[in-house]
Amino acid sequence: QKEVEQNSGPLSVPEGAIASLNCTYSDRGSQSFFWYRQYSGKSPELIMFIYSNGDKEDGRFTAQLNKASQYVSLLIRDSQPSDSATYLCATFSGNTGKLIFGQGTTLQVKP
Amino acid sequence: GAGVSQSPSNKVTEKGKDVELRCDPISGHTALYWYRQSLGQGLEFLIYFQGNSAPDKSGLPSDRFSAERTGGSVSTLTIQRTQQEDSAVYLCASSFVALQNTEAFFGQGTRLTVV
Repeated sequence: QKEVEQNSGPLSVPEGAIASLNCTYSDRGSQSFFWYRQYSGKSPELIMFIYSNGDKEDGRFTAQLNKASQYVSLLIRDSQPSDSATYLCATFSGNTGKLIFGQGTTLQVKP
Repeated sequence: GAGVSQSPSNKVTEKGKDVELRCDPISGHTALYWYRQSLGQGLEFLIYFQGNSAPDKSGLPSDRFSAERTGGSVSTLTIQRTQQEDSAVYLCASSFVALQNTEAFFGQGTRLTVV
């Protein structure tokens, strides 16, 4: 079992819709979770982080964390074509400083 | 500096040659991470440093790969006797510490092509 799992997609949504990106993790010791956005040919860019159970909102982005279910998600409201990218979920492995990533989900927002 | 800086941006090398990739982290960041990303693939963890020490080297693919960090700042990833399968983008990231609840930021990467 991979430590961080994401559906590779592509996830296709129409412009203006809500995009929902999901991530599961195996290590119950993981406490903090990060969402990175990566445009083709570019390096990953941190867009959200969440440390506590529940929701965290930042503009059009909402991160949701459910530690009991070992599940973290990213919602993008009013999706725009410029949101089309690969979204990477990351967490620290247990009590180590090893930051590990899922394979990423490709999001396509169609005008 | 303002962000994580990697050099060179692009490197083309002949099979069998050695290469050195450099990463200059954000000032004050004590943790530094190296990843490899092949075309269309996810981020493959290579190694991380906390200060000058590397608690986890488990991701280095073979003994041809090594990394060091001096002065708690700049890190160098060295690949000896490069092979075509080493072709990838090598990404470096840094954070204040290698702990939960700290955010890591990436450099622009070094695209390595072995011909």
